[in-house]
Amino acid sequence: AQTVTQSQPEMSVQEAETVTLSCTYDTSESDYYLFWYKQPPSRQMILVIRQEAYKQQNATENRFSVNFQKAAKSFSLKISDSQLGDAAMYFCAYRSETNQGGKLIFGQGTELSVKP
Amino acid sequence: DTGVSQDPRHKITKRGQNVTFRCDPISEHNRLYWYRQTLGQGPEFLTYFQNEAQLEKSRLLSDRFSAERPKGSFSTLEIQRTEQGDSAMYLCASSPLTNTEAFFGQGTRLTVV
Repeated sequence: AQTVTQSQPEMSVQEAETVTLSCTYDTSESDYYLFWYKQPPSRQMILVIRQEAYKQQNATENRFSVNFQKAAKSFSLKISDSQLGDAAMYFCAYRSETNQGGKLIFGQGTELSVKP
Repeated sequence: DTGVSQDPRHKITKRGQNVTFRCDPISEHNRLYWYRQTLGQGPEFLTYFQNEAQLEKSRLLSDRFSAERPKGSFSTLEIQRTEQGDSAMYLCASSPLTNTEAFFGQGTRLTVV
């Protein structure tokens, strides 16, 4: 069974600075997707960034980028130029390619606070 | 279309009572998922539908839980004989068949007293 681990329950960053959130996963599959989701307080979860395992190039979305290390099964999220609105719970998630259902397996989450 | 909608947003019930939650997915999204999220944890998969067919159920989904998606549109999740351990946020998500992105609702927070 696949597992996702986020070892940082809480992180803090100064506004305009850069922060990296860590995620490791375990799987025996070769084809899969990895995601970072953001869950602001009392608001719905939204997708931040997505990475296909077959792509060697790290995904980037504006201020958000990932460091995908397939051999190490590591998938970290870097947030550059942090803004107050980035404060939220961040979840790393795994989705199998072979499991056609598309269910997500989530990590425990990292609560990010942004200091003005 | 304003996204995935869940109703109610909050529900407080006494232990032993039955509760039902509703999820309205984004129009024409074939897949609909239910997750449960307890405080300080990530969401855990409960079940998913493709159109009206329930194709997978987690072992977390005990016999007291039942989900339906009549006509492949909205879905309901019913919990019978609620227990305090059922207290959690219940999240619904939907996605089209051809897209890996799941869109989440704001969830229903259940408190069993």
